Amino acid sequence: KAGVTQTPRYLIKTRGQQVTLSCSPISGHRSVSWYQQTPGQGLQFLFEYFSETQRNKGNFPGRFSGRQFSNSRSEMNVSTLELGDSALYLCASRPTRTEIQETQYFGPGTRLLVL
Amino acid sequence: LAKTTQPISMDSYEGQEVNITCSHNNIATNDYITWYQQFPSQGPRFIIQGYKTKVTNEVASLFIPADRKSSTLSLPRVSLSDTAVYYCLVGGAGNMLTFGGGTRLMVKP
Repeated sequence: KAGVTQTPRYLIKTRGQQVTLSCSPISGHRSVSWYQQTPGQGLQFLFEYFSETQRNKGNFPGRFSGRQFSNSRSEMNVSTLELGDSALYLCASRPTRTEIQETQYFGPGTRLLVL
Repeated sequence: LAKTTQPISMDSYEGQEVNITCSHNNIATNDYITWYQQFPSQGPRFIIQGYKTKVTNEVASLFIPADRKSSTLSLPRVSLSDTAVYYCLVGGAGNMLTFGGGTRLMVKP
């Protein structure tokens, strides 16, 4: 079974631009979560989507948004990019969000550099 | 949300057993404990998960005491390739998972 895939793997943008990152979960997985990882803040939860609905949201400004499609693929968007948005953005999928014991499987991440 | 606390870093030598302890004092009844390994510029990789007592798989063991307020990841006979950051997470159904700061393990020859 193919793992979680993320595109693009690397991205360079300038301040003020916007960016869209894509995540394809493992086949059959319906929950997709997004994380931001920076050297200073570590891994921080952004949001989780299940059945095309945002179920949980971390403490990030409204410039960060996401959506999920009917095939469970997810996108996240960051508008008005700031230098501090430079990070590794990770996507993770799991089968559902209703089973107590579930493992999240992570993709390779998208490395975003904001200049 | 259950907050986790781990040592920032640990050093070991090849062939030794490494034990990394994570504290999670306010773990909820339906929370599971999961450990991930991460190499630079890669996504975290699942190592092991447990609820109570002891869990063992082909790469690690996880020890969880009865009060579940801590857990210990045990890596037997580490090699240089085990040099990575190890994260302890707690979470359950419908709950967002919280990553702690992680433990940077350095395995020396």
